[in-house]
Amino acid sequence: QKEVEQDPGPLSVPEGAIVSLNCTYSNSAFQYFMWYRQYSRKGPELLMYTYSSGNKEDGRFTAQVDKSSKYISLFIRDSQPSDSATYLCAMRNAGNMLTFGGGTRLMVKP
Amino acid sequence: GAGVSQSPSNKVTEKGKDVELRCDPISGHTALYWYRQSLGQGLEFLIYFQGNSAPDKSGLPSDRFSAERTGGSVSTLTIQRTQQEDSAVYLCASSWDITYNEQFFGPGTRLTVL
Repeated sequence: QKEVEQDPGPLSVPEGAIVSLNCTYSNSAFQYFMWYRQYSRKGPELLMYTYSSGNKEDGRFTAQVDKSSKYISLFIRDSQPSDSATYLCAMRNAGNMLTFGGGTRLMVKP
Repeated sequence: GAGVSQSPSNKVTEKGKDVELRCDPISGHTALYWYRQSLGQGLEFLIYFQGNSAPDKSGLPSDRFSAERTGGSVSTLTIQRTQQEDSAVYLCASSWDITYNEQFFGPGTRLTVL
């Protein structure tokens, strides 16, 4: 079993929809939680990160962490075709390395 | 400013040949990472360098894989006697140091082993 699980999708939604992307994890020592976005044939780029449980909002994006359930989410409001990409969750503990999920491919159709 | 660059962008090689992949990190970043991403898969950690410390090689899949970082800057990932299962996108990333959550990724090198 992988430490971080993520549904690969693809997830197809109409423009303007609210998107929910999720990851589950098994290592309770993880403290930092991140979402990276990867466009086709590009490297990933950091979208948001949170520390510990709770919500964090940045424009149309909200990251949510529930450490008791070992579950993190990324919500995208008013989704746009430009949001079409693969979204990777990543997390790390007090050690040094990031552990990535497999990524969810999102397609937002005009 | 310049981001992380990688070369070549694409590499096609024959099984059994050696390949070298190059990464130029962002200037001033002391940490450098190599990942492998197979089709439709997430990022598989290979190795990281932090300053002048010994690299963490714990993710290298076999002794055919090696990497070096010269002068704390440019890094080369070498794969000897390539196999078809080595075909993947090899991504390099850098960060200010190993404790930073934000890693800046290059565009990757797409390796195809025939």
